[in-house]
Amino acid sequence: SQTIHQWPATLVQPVGSPLSLECTVEGTSNPNLYWYRQAAGRGLQLLFYSVGIGQISSEVPQNLSASRPQDRQFILSSKKLLLSDSGFYLCAWSVVAVGGAEAFFGQGTRLTVV
Amino acid sequence: GENVEQHPSTLSVQEGDSAVIKCTYSDSASNYFPWYKQELGKGPQLIIDIRSNVGEKKDQRIAVTLNKTAKHFSLHITETQPEDSAVYFCASGGSWGKLQFGAGTQVVVTP
Repeated sequence: SQTIHQWPATLVQPVGSPLSLECTVEGTSNPNLYWYRQAAGRGLQLLFYSVGIGQISSEVPQNLSASRPQDRQFILSSKKLLLSDSGFYLCAWSVVAVGGAEAFFGQGTRLTVV
Repeated sequence: GENVEQHPSTLSVQEGDSAVIKCTYSDSASNYFPWYKQELGKGPQLIIDIRSNVGEKKDQRIAVTLNKTAKHFSLHITETQPEDSAVYFCASGGSWGKLQFGAGTQVVVTP
């Protein structure tokens, strides 16, 4: 069966420090991978998605970047965190499907920038 | 681009009553419409989904309806229970399989 791992679960970082969040998927090949951010415990904002190794699409301009060094590994990074980067970050995967397919979410990372 | 609107933002119901959440979408190419439930501090989990070749789907106390002409779909929860309290998200499947989510509905079921 497929599983998705996301870590760490919580993170407190000072303003200006770097960030690296990692997500890995097991039990599937060539998944679509996604990074979402959830501010104020509500809406899910799509930050990045990837349809293959090295292929990253950014949905919104921001202080963050994403990379996919391996088929089932997705990394969210920042060189210098801002206070506004605080939030709940969720990694997700889905099969490749025109018109959409179920997304499976990780348990999330609560990031607090202080 | 794609846009999904979800209403209401909060919904308070008495235990045993029904809850209805409505969403509209803009992308005519969408043909997949899932609903997710998110409990506090956890990732969203799929509870039911529907594809555009179906108008209605039911799973025990949960049902989803889709009107593709009007571009709206709804979640219906009957006989609500305290454990139904959570944030619910609708989503629309667009190009490349990615999902666009609504803003969420906080459902509170009071005993």
